[in-house]
Amino acid sequence: DGGITQSPKYLFRKEGQNVTLSCEQNLNHDAMYWYRQDPGQGLRLIYYSQIVNDFQKGDIAEGYSVSREKKESFPLTVTSAQKNPTAFYLCASRTGGNNQPQHFGDGTRLSIL
Amino acid sequence: DAKTTQPNSMESNEEEPVHLPCNHSTISGTDYIHWYRQLPSQGPEYVIHGLTSNVNNRMASLAIAEDRKSSTLILHRATLRDAAVYYCILRDVGAGSYQLTFGKGTKLSVIP
Repeated sequence: DGGITQSPKYLFRKEGQNVTLSCEQNLNHDAMYWYRQDPGQGLRLIYYSQIVNDFQKGDIAEGYSVSREKKESFPLTVTSAQKNPTAFYLCASRTGGNNQPQHFGDGTRLSIL
Repeated sequence: DAKTTQPNSMESNEEEPVHLPCNHSTISGTDYIHWYRQLPSQGPEYVIHGLTSNVNNRMASLAIAEDRKSSTLILHRATLRDAAVYYCILRDVGAGSYQLTFGKGTKLSVIP
């Protein structure tokens, strides 16, 4: 079945460590997104990519980095510069115009050890 | 994106219809109305979207007021699996913003 796969489901980070969250889609979608969700809150955009080899910062990009070398993959690295990384991270993709829906993965829950 | 207002929570009995309201009095002519829902510890799931006319799909119906200042998501027969947080979002296709702006949504509880 087509969809978005995020891995791992749970991730623990030590102080000073960079960690990378995986997002893969087989929907042939051009646009991909990373959001962060804190408990009881809505989603906030970290980075997005409209096309391969191009990406833009969202509202809360500081302390995060991304790459988009392949259409199917949009990994997110949480760097040691992100001082409050504990959150639920969601990856999404979209095809077509801006009015088309986004399709989400099941998320990665990141915690600090 | 323009702002939406939803009740914090609603309850429904299983097998009964549910009407989830959303107010968007500052909606512009190019704003689409999108609905998503999110189950605990899962990513949001797209439900339905529309511009001016009422819309139906296998999951739900979307009723849009004639002046477009409000809309209602209709679940025809609530099941326990419909218990989730429902988000009403406006998408301006003419703007440069690409993100979905999720508010706090409406938490729907379904009573067996």
